[in-house]
Amino acid sequence: DTGVSQDPRHKITKRGQNVTFRCDPISEHNRLYWYRQTLGQGPEFLTYFQNEAQLEKSRLLSDRFSAERPKGSFSTLEIQRTEQGDSAMYLCASRDTSSLEETQYFGPGTRLLVL
Amino acid sequence: DQQVKQNSPSLSVQEGRISILNCDYTNSMFDYFLWYKKYPAEGPTFLISISSIKDKNEDGRFTVFLNKSAKHLSLHIVPSQPGDSAVYFCAASVNFGNEKLTFGTGTRLTIIP
Repeated sequence: DTGVSQDPRHKITKRGQNVTFRCDPISEHNRLYWYRQTLGQGPEFLTYFQNEAQLEKSRLLSDRFSAERPKGSFSTLEIQRTEQGDSAMYLCASRDTSSLEETQYFGPGTRLLVL
Repeated sequence: DQQVKQNSPSLSVQEGRISILNCDYTNSMFDYFLWYKKYPAEGPTFLISISSIKDKNEDGRFTVFLNKSAKHLSLHIVPSQPGDSAVYFCAASVNFGNEKLTFGTGTRLTIIP
């Protein structure tokens, strides 16, 4: 399977705890995106990387959120001091900007529930 | 500020008939548009896209139409099949997909056997 993978698929945590999610993009895809989807809404952009450089962050990404892509391959998204409002599906997508394809390919997501 | 709007939350279509899903946008800087399909507990799956230099793109049973003057696009599925039942999201980007996608709220399509 050469698609985007995310781990874990589900996470239940208590308010105030820290959580970390991992995304492995499609091999050779240099661009990686994080989105968040809440119930009844479409995915909302959080941040994206070109290789290891974080190029843009949404205002949705508060100080409690941090994302990294240290070697330009996999990425992690950490939420500190989780709040109930953080409960959502966190989606990762990747894209190869060197190809003619301009499509972002999504992983299965990590569903977070904060109690 | 919802820049991409899907005004129909749900749509039911008889199997074999045509399904038409609609999407409107407000940002005139959008130059690339995509449709994604999503099943429960899965990530969005890419279906079809169109750049602003075209007004139609076809891929098998799926056709996307773009009307730039009306800032409107639509996805036609013909013939509709039971496996098409899913939530469909319209998305748009600036700079031909190089940047973030802005999604609509989705339309749940149900194909009636």
